[in-house]
Amino acid sequence: DTAVSQTPKYLVTQMGNDKSIKCEQNLGHDTMYWYKQDSKKFLKIMFSYNNKELIINETVPNRFSPKSPDKAHLNLHINSLELGDSAVYFCASSPDRARGEKLFFGSGTQLSVL
Amino acid sequence: DQQVKQNSPSLSVQEGRISILNCDYTNSMFDYFLWYKKYPAEGPTFLISISSIKDKNEDGRFTVFLNKSAKHLSLHIVPSQPGDSAVYFCAANNYGGSQGNLIFGKGTKLSVKP
Repeated sequence: DTAVSQTPKYLVTQMGNDKSIKCEQNLGHDTMYWYKQDSKKFLKIMFSYNNKELIINETVPNRFSPKSPDKAHLNLHINSLELGDSAVYFCASSPDRARGEKLFFGSGTQLSVL
Repeated sequence: DQQVKQNSPSLSVQEGRISILNCDYTNSMFDYFLWYKKYPAEGPTFLISISSIKDKNEDGRFTVFLNKSAKHLSLHIVPSQPGDSAVYFCAANNYGGSQGNLIFGKGTKLSVKP
């Protein structure tokens, strides 16, 4: 019973294409996130949603658009993919945004843009 | 600008000995620190945390020490086991910007040899 599940696990695509990554959590959490782990291995936050409302948008290009149809889902759509978008994208959730609240991560989606 | 630094990309330890993973931070506004453990092809999982009002937190074989004046924390694993082999990420809460935004270090890969 996976708590935070994201699909697909691997995504290989050509530059210029549009792709989506889906994320679902069955923990009943109110807050969901997208993190990006780049080639330098840093995990950086991209977006945070609380009860379907966008809370954090950390200087991510407009080509990235999160969509939260309900508080259990946070999908990531990427338009006009670029080589620099190649990375591992992690979805995560937490009960709320309280200080020190720990995150529960999905297993990641490895995106390769050719 | 790396606000959370893990200067050792890797560490190798013999089974049964102590593993010490280090983390430095620059932002004095950080007041909550967490360690995450990550196995290959999986997402990070929460390991242990510490509030800035404490200098030590222990959970079984894992102890985190915080030295606020030095802006330094460390994770001790005693005794180390082969199953502890993973990448360990240090993270800190940043309340100067977005609430609930965890800032991660680059990780330290721990190898515990039998």
